[in-house]
Amino acid sequence: DIQMTQSPSSLSASVGDRVTITCRPSQSISNYLSWYQQKPGKAPRLLIDAASSLQSGVPSRFSGSGSGTDFTLTISSLQSEDFATYYCQQSYTTPPTFGGGTKVEIK
Amino acid sequence: QVLLQQWGAGLLKPSETLSLTCAVNGGSFSGYFWTWIRQFPGKGLQWIGNINHRGNSDYDPSLKSRVTISVDTSKNHFSLELNSVTAADTAVYYCARDIYCSGGRCSVGIGFDPWGQGTLVTVSS
Repeated sequence: DIQMTQSPSSLSASVGDRVTITCRPSQSISNYLSWYQQKPGKAPRLLIDAASSLQSGVPSRFSGSGSGTDFTLTISSLQSEDFATYYCQQSYTTPPTFGGGTKVEIK
Repeated sequence: QVLLQQWGAGLLKPSETLSLTCAVNGGSFSGYFWTWIRQFPGKGLQWIGNINHRGNSDYDPSLKSRVTISVDTSKNHFSLELNSVTAADTAVYYCARDIYCSGGRCSVGIGFDPWGQGTLVTVSS
């Protein structure tokens, strides 16, 4: 299985901050990388797939980049509703695997 | 708009069989693969397996001996059974839409979307 390593596992930030989360798979996955946002008690919500394709309805302050073994999720200006846990997931091979998550907390 | 609604028993004893069903409302059922994912209390996510409308399925190798995913195209439902459960199977179980395949080609690289609301399954004696 491909191991997905996210960093950091948690971070504290303020509204308006630029936030960057990294995801590194244990082998190259081309651009087969998705990002999810999860709030307490809710199912994960797909934000970005194919590494950089923003889903309909997702604010443009979210962006994804990278390919191969190095991916980044960026929130350009953190808003109050963005405090949540973020997960990356690869779909290059079966089984699909997820990163351990990054919890974004209020500073 | 596609909505997934899931249900099933939430409290099981060790050795029993977990059984969940997911209904797909709105949108197309055929052509897609439909998947089950679970999230452990420590928040880790694990893909369990998927199925399409023809009944073609695939499973996580670590669960393959205990898992069956089935489909009922007359109702646009798909179901999960996991037998011989233990406390380690305690998790929130989600259904979700997976890749789309047509004419032998699939929309690879896309994410799981949408998801069901989740069902907490607790295994305890």
